[in-house]
Amino acid sequence: DAKTTQPNSMESNEEEPVHLPCNHSTISGTDYIHWYRQLPSQGPEYVIHGLTSNVNNRMASLAIAEDRKSSTLILHRATLRDAAVYYCILSGANAGKSTFGDGTTLTVKP
Amino acid sequence: NAGVTQTPKFQVLKTGQSMTLQCAQDMNHEYMSWYRQDPGMGLRLIHYSVGAGITDQGEVPNGYNVSRSTTEDFPLRLLSAAPSQTSVYFCASSFDRGGEQFFGPGTRLTVL
Repeated sequence: DAKTTQPNSMESNEEEPVHLPCNHSTISGTDYIHWYRQLPSQGPEYVIHGLTSNVNNRMASLAIAEDRKSSTLILHRATLRDAAVYYCILSGANAGKSTFGDGTTLTVKP
Repeated sequence: NAGVTQTPKFQVLKTGQSMTLQCAQDMNHEYMSWYRQDPGMGLRLIHYSVGAGITDQGEVPNGYNVSRSTTEDFPLRLLSAAPSQTSVYFCASSFDRGGEQFFGPGTRLTVL
């Protein structure tokens, strides 16, 4: 299965944009790029996903590199409630076979 | 619409005991998965299913069995519990390939 690489931790100030990077150099042509986040003592929560084009939703934007070997999750204005562990995962030909890494712990400072 | 439900929420077992973690979804999703999450770690895939009657192994399948007799239910069985299986277990489902996964609230399991 294709793996992803993320920084262990990042910090942001409240109300500022946050760019969370993810490398997935072994991505296959049919793999979707998903982002989830996990608050303490909760299950992961879906944030956004995409295949080739950049994607926007009410929570975030996903920027996908032209060669698809990396992507960036963009939180336009970080709030304290955005402090969480963010996971970038690849979903292959089978949506159930998704491999989570250790994610990026985002700290938001007031 | 309850989403993904898991029971029990907490469980303590003794080494060698067996038990079944229950997972159910009411969204008519074909794809269901079981993950475990050890403290301070990410989620690791145990088993998954692409539809009723079809299951496959994930990254860490040893010591666990699954079956999928209906679309709604995907139980996870621990055959002979070991302390190394102390973890939080999450069940997830998704409608289709590449789609959003919905996670249950988790089962916190301690094996003494």
